[in-house]
Amino acid sequence: GAGVSQTPSNKVTEKGKYVELRCDPISGHTALYWYRQSLGQGPEFLIYFQGTGAADDSGLPNDRFFAVRPEGSVSTLKIQRTERGDSAVYLCASSPDSGGPHQYFGPGTRLTVL
Amino acid sequence: GQQLNQSPQSMFIQEGEDVSMNCTSSSIFNTWLWYKQDPGEGPVLLIALYKAGELTSNGRLTAQFGITRKDSFLNISASIPSDVGIYFCAGQLRNNDMRFGAGTRLTVKP
Repeated sequence: GAGVSQTPSNKVTEKGKYVELRCDPISGHTALYWYRQSLGQGPEFLIYFQGTGAADDSGLPNDRFFAVRPEGSVSTLKIQRTERGDSAVYLCASSPDSGGPHQYFGPGTRLTVL
Repeated sequence: GQQLNQSPQSMFIQEGEDVSMNCTSSSIFNTWLWYKQDPGEGPVLLIALYKAGELTSNGRLTAQFGITRKDSFLNISASIPSDVGIYFCAGQLRNNDMRFGAGTRLTVKP
């Protein structure tokens, strides 16, 4: 079956622009996570959805970052007024239950802010 | 927040050799996990450990959940070229709170 998919695979933008990153989780998975992975580092938790609601957004670095999951499936991570420090790989993961350890990761979106 | 210290940072080994890497934390975790990440891909779960002292194998991989719940190790026996990649430990406290180490980059020379 299809795994977690993320689009675009690469995004290059200019400082100050707005970007949206999309995640399609595995069908039927209720939990969805966003992580940010900087070069040479492990993934860093951003936000967790259980169904349509953001159950934990404590990892979002500031109010320029926002994520939605309006129908409990696809999620969009939105970054306003991008900064060069936002450059990273943004990973999405989903799991079949409420936050079990078996998270299935997508390939990520590599964001480059010039 | 909790910080995971993973070592070594990188390893260069000959095909057929055994490999060992470990992860320590100043905090206690309920679950320890080991992931492998290939270039351009997301991490893939290798082994999950749920109880202190637990020793679990997955093929040539063996991992243990430390007794103190603050550490874990991963061993790979008889390495092969496809073992190349970055290995991450992760500790999970609550269901949605997973912290990753910085990774061990493994290179296997044929």
